[in-house]
Amino acid sequence: DTGVSQDPRHKITKRGQNVTFRCDPISEHNRLYWYRQTLGQGPEFLTYFQNEAQLEKSRLLSDRFSAERPKGSFSTLEIQRTEQGDSAMYLCASSFLLGTEAFFGQGTRLTVV
Amino acid sequence: ELKVEQNPLFLSMQEGKNYTIYCNYSTTSDRLYWYRQDPGKSLESLFVLLSNGAVKQEGRLMASLDTKARLSTLHITAAVHDLSATYFCAVDIIGNQFYFGTGTSLTVIP
Repeated sequence: DTGVSQDPRHKITKRGQNVTFRCDPISEHNRLYWYRQTLGQGPEFLTYFQNEAQLEKSRLLSDRFSAERPKGSFSTLEIQRTEQGDSAMYLCASSFLLGTEAFFGQGTRLTVV
Repeated sequence: ELKVEQNPLFLSMQEGKNYTIYCNYSTTSDRLYWYRQDPGKSLESLFVLLSNGAVKQEGRLMASLDTKARLSTLHITAAVHDLSATYFCAVDIIGNQFYFGTGTSLTVIP
């Protein structure tokens, strides 16, 4: 297993466009997390799934943000009507059990112009 | 609201010296994690601390957890240049909703 995989690695989009990011977790992990990291800050929790169930989404930044994990495997994070303030690194992580560390992907760097 | 604070935010130290990074958090938790991040890279897991008094060591790094004081430390022994990176602590409150600290940017000078 090659770890958590995210695609694309970089995305440049115009303000107002929609973007979608994909995350493939480590195969045996049933928990999947999305974080946002801005320059000079620690990662900020957005949402997480256990299998296909989204157990916490209240910390998604606005209703423009949504995430899915339809079959309990890969996940997508969509941002609608992007704004310049959405420019950041979006990180995905996965873990197997509560109390184990989360393994992070390489991230998708979003630039909104 | 939960706060996770690290001290110092920036650390410049000479090779061979020792130093400690502190992580304070504002609510009860007995699960704390340390991560390393190199510039432009993702986060690498360093330590998992799951109980009061837990101590883990790997090479020149040692982490400890005092849940009563809501404090974790990351001690660096005889620093080398390869340790230059940003170090984050993360507190797990509910179901792996990691709350990350502000990060400590470490530069080891030859």
